[in-house]
Amino acid sequence: KNEVEQSPQNLTAQEGEFITINCSYSVGISALHWLQQHPGGGIVSLFMLSSGKKKHGRLIATINIQEKHSSLHITASHPRDSAVYICAPPISGSARQLTFGSGTQLTVLP
Amino acid sequence: DGGITQSPKYLFRKEGQNVTLSCEQNLNHDAMYWYRQDPGQGLRLIYYSQIVNDFQKGDIAEGYSVSREKKESFPLTVTSAQKNPTAFYLCASSIRDRNTEAFFGQGTRLTVV
Repeated sequence: KNEVEQSPQNLTAQEGEFITINCSYSVGISALHWLQQHPGGGIVSLFMLSSGKKKHGRLIATINIQEKHSSLHITASHPRDSAVYICAPPISGSARQLTFGSGTQLTVLP
Repeated sequence: DGGITQSPKYLFRKEGQNVTLSCEQNLNHDAMYWYRQDPGQGLRLIYYSQIVNDFQKGDIAEGYSVSREKKESFPLTVTSAQKNPTAFYLCASSIRDRNTEAFFGQGTRLTVV
């Protein structure tokens, strides 16, 4: 089983702040998902990455496969970024074996 | 636009009744998945299907049933045998089962009264 630890569990920031969410896992994997879950419950896949860094707008994800660690950064945070961010490394490369972290509740205040 | 559609968004049922949750995708994905989420907990895999007419149990399949008669559809039935059916249910799909990005639906919140 892949143990996944996310930190922090809860994060409150002021609008404009730089946000970092960390994810550590125990089993070596080939790729990792970062997901965003809004209060309504729907989940959006932000990134799937297997090495280095990916950037979409104000979101940046990095991964270090050797250290079994990934980070999600949000630049110039905005209240609409408020959501739960979930890291999900699969045990193998298979989506059916995604191991979901408990998530980081981010609240960005105006 | 391509995507995954789950319906309904909210569902209420009386205890002892079976209920079927819909999941449809027009992404031409082979693999589809059902997850359950309870408050304060991560997602857990109920069933998955890698191809039409085939599906496999996940970690918490007891009290649930699925079918995969068409590539685009993977309905989940919550049976009366499921002891704690009240939860948030998410459907996902991917092109194939390995090393591809998973796409998620908006979810169905089921409340059994």
